[in-house]
Amino acid sequence: GNSVTQMEGPVTLSEEAFLTINCTYTATGYPSLFWYVQYPGEGLQLLLKATKADDKGSNKGFEATYRKETTSFHLEKGSVQVSDSAVYFCALSDDTGFQKLVFGTGTRLLVSP
Amino acid sequence: SQTIHQWPATLVQPVGSPLSLECTVEGTSNPNLYWYRQAAGRGLQLLFYSVGIGQISSEVPQNLSASRPQDRQFILSSKKLLLSDSGFYLCAWNAGLGSTEAFFGQGTRLTVV
Repeated sequence: GNSVTQMEGPVTLSEEAFLTINCTYTATGYPSLFWYVQYPGEGLQLLLKATKADDKGSNKGFEATYRKETTSFHLEKGSVQVSDSAVYFCALSDDTGFQKLVFGTGTRLLVSP
Repeated sequence: SQTIHQWPATLVQPVGSPLSLECTVEGTSNPNLYWYRQAAGRGLQLLFYSVGIGQISSEVPQNLSASRPQDRQFILSSKKLLLSDSGFYLCAWNAGLGSTEAFFGQGTRLTVV
């Protein structure tokens, strides 16, 4: 079945550091790929998405590129802020049309001033 | 604009007691609705989804059930809770018709004691 693997956390960085959170997936067909973010005490919010190979999703300075050859969708940001501290989830949806999401375990990011 | 309401935010229930979590969506019609659960140390797992009133699909065998009595209402229930039902429950909706984005509620933290 479909699955998503993302790096274990927590990831601890200083403000303005470069961020990479790795995500790889296993899927049949042509899934769409997502990064969701969960700020403390809140529900999940969509951060960015990519629906086909070589697409780059971007939002709020975060970027991720859909790499079919390496089955990866790594999240990057050039300069993190304290306000980026949250849990980040990589996810995929299959191409059945029901938009059922398969999530990774989440990576907690802690940014210190 | 569309909003999703999920309640309660936290719940502590004894083993063997019943459960009812409610989720309602405003500002959209005929959404796809979902219940996800995040158990400790694990990613979010899809429990149920619904594409219309009275239509429920279960993704994993479990002690829980779901119902959709109205177009924008989704209920998660159990007759007798188990310790293993503890976790963070999230309701989500999607506009369907090929839409790729899911919108999540604030979640319910359930602790079974």
